Amino acid sequence: GAVVSQHPSRVICKSGTSVKIECRSLDFQATTMFWYRQFPKQSLMLMATSNEGSKATYEQGVEKDKFLINHASLTLSTLTVTSAHPEDSSFYICSATDGQNTEAFFGQGTRLTVV
Amino acid sequence: AQSVTQPDIHITVSEGASLELRCNYSYGATPYLFWYVQSPGQGLQLLLKYFSGDTLVQGIKGFEAEFKRSQSSFNLRKPSVHWSDAAEYFCAVDPTSGTYKYIFGTGTRLKVLA
Repeated sequence: GAVVSQHPSRVICKSGTSVKIECRSLDFQATTMFWYRQFPKQSLMLMATSNEGSKATYEQGVEKDKFLINHASLTLSTLTVTSAHPEDSSFYICSATDGQNTEAFFGQGTRLTVV
Repeated sequence: AQSVTQPDIHITVSEGASLELRCNYSYGATPYLFWYVQSPGQGLQLLLKYFSGDTLVQGIKGFEAEFKRSQSSFNLRKPSVHWSDAAEYFCAVDPTSGTYKYIFGTGTRLKVLA
């Protein structure tokens, strides 16, 4: 199957700083990538959809100025959590598709802890 | 409202016993259906998926699932559980069959007793 890689797998940052998470498709061109968030002991919630070369589309209730998404190439999307606060601590996971498969492929996830 | 429901938050079974995890969805058309497993601190691993055709689908690790249109269900089964199956299981739906925007159930945490 197709491989999606996320980096870093874990990150700790201080409150008020920004942190960037990368999502890469290693063996296919990801025309669309998705970002999900999973709070402890909860399910995954879709945050936003990004198409290569276009602005991301955010789900209702997700602050686009806090969660900056860039999808500048067909193999890379980044999520930047700006001015992070402890309530942003969560597990962030991306998925990607080339639009040809019947499923999207998930990265391994990034555990963000804001202290 | 459109939703994916996993009625069982926790399930405990003995090793070697059979397992069934329930999943119901409330979408009008038949969506694409998935089951994922997540070990603590890890990402998602796809167990199996259903798009069309045979309503009984086989997956990895000995899992299978059956799609029942009349019940809007897609229950996951395994005839004999192994201790390594202890994990969180998520049912997911692509409600418009090809948007890749998945709606996840709340998950079922499986505990396996030795």
